Amino acid sequence: QKEVEQNSGPLSVPEGAIASLNCTYSDRGSQSFFWYRQYSGKSPELIMSIYSNGDKEDGRFTAQLNKASQYVSLLIRDSQPSDSATYLCAVNRDDMRFGAGTRLTVKP
Amino acid sequence: GAVVSQHPSRVICKSGTSVKIECRSLDFQATTMFWYRQFPKKSLMLMATSNEGSKATYEQGVEKDKFLINHASLTLSTLTVTSAHPEDSSFYICSASEGSEQYFGPGTRLTVT
Repeated sequence: QKEVEQNSGPLSVPEGAIASLNCTYSDRGSQSFFWYRQYSGKSPELIMSIYSNGDKEDGRFTAQLNKASQYVSLLIRDSQPSDSATYLCAVNRDDMRFGAGTRLTVKP
Repeated sequence: GAVVSQHPSRVICKSGTSVKIECRSLDFQATTMFWYRQFPKKSLMLMATSNEGSKATYEQGVEKDKFLINHASLTLSTLTVTSAHPEDSSFYICSASEGSEQYFGPGTRLTVT
């Protein structure tokens, strides 16, 4: 079992829709959780961090964490073509572990 | 967020030569820096964890004599790819931790001919 699992996609949504990206992790002791966005040919960029159960909103992005289910998600509202990228979930306990990423395509 | 720079952004070298890549944290001190490699359309692969003033910790399968890492100060880590070969061609990305968050440099694209 991988430490951090994501659906590789591709996930395709129409412009203006909500994109939902999911991630599960295996280490119950994980303390902090992150979402990174990586455009093709570029390095990852931190877009959200979440540390406690519940929702955290930042603009069009909402991160959701459920430690009991070992599940973290990212919702992107009003998706734009510029949101098309690979989204990496990362989980930190003693060190950071990354998922393989979900490729999102937002179609105009 | 914190800013991490890398230099050079692109490098082309001949097989057998060595290449040095620098990673700097510009507005914070990074006790720990990380080096990743990413092949096209593949996920990030952690190569090594670099702690200031001590030897780097390499992931399984990464040759420490081939990928030399030096973390001489709290703002600078270097990766030297020694005796590079075409199969070393990849996108090398460093990151630095500030608290529990990790910030990535822009990456260095290495092509070995």
